[in-house]
Amino acid sequence: IAGITQAPTSQILAAGRRMTLRCTQDMRHNAMYWYRQDLGLGLRLIHYSNTAGTTGKGEVPDGYSVSRANTDDFPLTLASAVPSQTSVYFCASSDVSGRRNEQFFGPGTRLTVL
Amino acid sequence: DAKTTQPPSMDCAEGRAANLPCNHSTISGNEYVYWYRQIHSQGPQYIIHGLKNNETNEMASLIITEDRKSSTLILPHATLRDTAVYYCIVHKIQGAQKLVFGQGTRLTINP
Repeated sequence: IAGITQAPTSQILAAGRRMTLRCTQDMRHNAMYWYRQDLGLGLRLIHYSNTAGTTGKGEVPDGYSVSRANTDDFPLTLASAVPSQTSVYFCASSDVSGRRNEQFFGPGTRLTVL
Repeated sequence: DAKTTQPPSMDCAEGRAANLPCNHSTISGNEYVYWYRQIHSQGPQYIIHGLKNNETNEMASLIITEDRKSSTLILPHATLRDTAVYYCIVHKIQGAQKLVFGQGTRLTINP
């Protein structure tokens, strides 16, 4: 069982370039999330999705977009990357109908924008 | 969701019990207390959660005060692999959860 996979593992990107971070889960969870974690800080929610076809904004959504075409995939796109988007990005999922509704996190993508 | 307060760091000797406190004085009646931990640069990992009763699982125990304004996560026999940042988060159990992570407690287990 893979759980949640993220790609790429790391990326160095020139400012102004477009970048899509991929996230796939095989647990058939209805909800998915994107967080960023800056050095020495806790995670901050960027966007989330309650179920396929719906998305919502988190705490720090500016500069990012998401889509949820199906249950398994939840890509995060940076339309025009800026250096302040240098961070570690974590994708997560949860079964909102479950008894625990805990979030399962992927291994993260380390993104550097120069 | 209610805000939580945790000490920034703690130390514990290997084999001893690690007790991590969390204050959540503004918790509302339908909010649960969740604990996650993050080992080094990995993604956070769920540990345990509870509403008002004490809870125990294979990883830890959670003690919630009667007024629900604070809680303690207990790792009964800490090992070096328990060295991590521990996050206490309160939120409702239904629906998509917009988790609010503070800075957590950096727990160091010493040999």
